[in-house]
Amino acid sequence: GENVEQHPSTLSVQEGDSAVIKCTYSDSASNYFPWYKQELGKRPQLIIDIRSNVGEKKDQRIAVTLNKTAKHFSLHITETQPEDSAVYFCAAHNNDMRFGAGTRLTVKP
Amino acid sequence: DAGVIQSPRHEVTEMGQEVTLRCKPISGHNSLFWYRQTMMRGLELLIYFNNNVPIDDSGMPEDRFSAKMPNASFSTLKIQPSEPRDSAVYFCASTPPGLAGGPGEQFFGPGTRLTVL
Repeated sequence: GENVEQHPSTLSVQEGDSAVIKCTYSDSASNYFPWYKQELGKRPQLIIDIRSNVGEKKDQRIAVTLNKTAKHFSLHITETQPEDSAVYFCAAHNNDMRFGAGTRLTVKP
Repeated sequence: DAGVIQSPRHEVTEMGQEVTLRCKPISGHNSLFWYRQTMMRGLELLIYFNNNVPIDDSGMPEDRFSAKMPNASFSTLKIQPSEPRDSAVYFCASTPPGLAGGPGEQFFGPGTRLTVL
């Protein structure tokens, strides 16, 4: 089955800096790669996703890149703000969804 | 739409007791997923249903865990007997029928925080 690895497990940045989170997956048939943000005590919520026929997608300060050959994808957050502080999960979907272990992002004011 | 509904939101029980968690997916969604989240193991997929049929239950940790989906609007996850190591937040999520481009967003419920003493 699919195996998703996510790095780093924790990330601390200064407000205004960029943050990058990277994931690798094992199943070359996976075709959908969402990113979820989970604030403390709340449910995961989708922030951006990308499909296998696209290499990059951007939504305001958030972007995701996908390299199908290398089987890795990344989340980029620019101009970080304290409210970006949360745990971020990547996931890869073939027949079901497999999540990475999560990255705890802290944005220091 | 009220979103995915889970009940109870919190459950505290004693070891050996039966626990039943409930989920109502978003109307019109045809896939339903049960996840368990702990600090140690992260977000684990337990089982998922498509059109009320269990597709993959390989994530169900033991025979003590069972899940049902008797109709499109209701699913249960049962633990019998419960053990302290089952303590976790259990999330239910649902997705709409697949788009032309493939799968789509999973909508998570608020979760049930289970504590087994």
